[in-house]
Amino acid sequence: AQSVTQLGSHVSVSEGALVLLRCNYSSSVPPYLFWYVQYPNQGLQLLLKYTTGATLVKGINGFEAEFKKSETSFHLTKPSAHMSDAAEYFCAVSDRRSGAGSYQLTFGKGTKLSVIP
Amino acid sequence: DAGVIQSPRHEVTEMGQEVTLRCKPISGHNSLFWYRQTMMRGLELLIYFNNNVPIDDSGMPEDRFSAKMPNASFSTLKIQPSEPRDSAVYFCASSSYGYTFGSGTRLTVV
Repeated sequence: AQSVTQLGSHVSVSEGALVLLRCNYSSSVPPYLFWYVQYPNQGLQLLLKYTTGATLVKGINGFEAEFKKSETSFHLTKPSAHMSDAAEYFCAVSDRRSGAGSYQLTFGKGTKLSVIP
Repeated sequence: DAGVIQSPRHEVTEMGQEVTLRCKPISGHNSLFWYRQTMMRGLELLIYFNNNVPIDDSGMPEDRFSAKMPNASFSTLKIQPSEPRDSAVYFCASSSYGYTFGSGTRLTVV
């Protein structure tokens, strides 16, 4: 079974400060890893994903995440927070061996990011 | 591409009534997922289909919930009878290589 732990249900940063949202996972096989963002009253949008290859993954809106197998982590960062980054962020893991030609995502509980002017 | 389309966006119903949520996936996506989001439990996978066939419905909370996918372009999630604890936002997502989520249906059962 796979699981995702996001440390901190709520993170506040000042505008222009570093954003760091933590995600740890457990998986019995090499996982696919994802970060999604959810703005109020909207669905989830994909920020970035790791499947294979380079462990530092760049996504939209200046976000990036690094897959660290030894730490079972996939933390999300952005060098300088912008007011528009205020949203809820979800880390997700997939067992790439899920069958039937598709894969299931298991989501963390989410981290709500507030950006202080 | 209009994305994943869910209807209605909001639904308020009385306890005991039947509720039907609808989803139109992205054309060509072969997998469809129904999720429920609440403050207490976060995002929970209810059921998913692959090529219109239900693959895993272990997340469906109880027999009051049922889901169908009669063809590749339409799916429904039905709750009968509805209860106040079913109040949540229900998301549909379709997938080919990556997931695309709909905007959700906010269900309130009073």
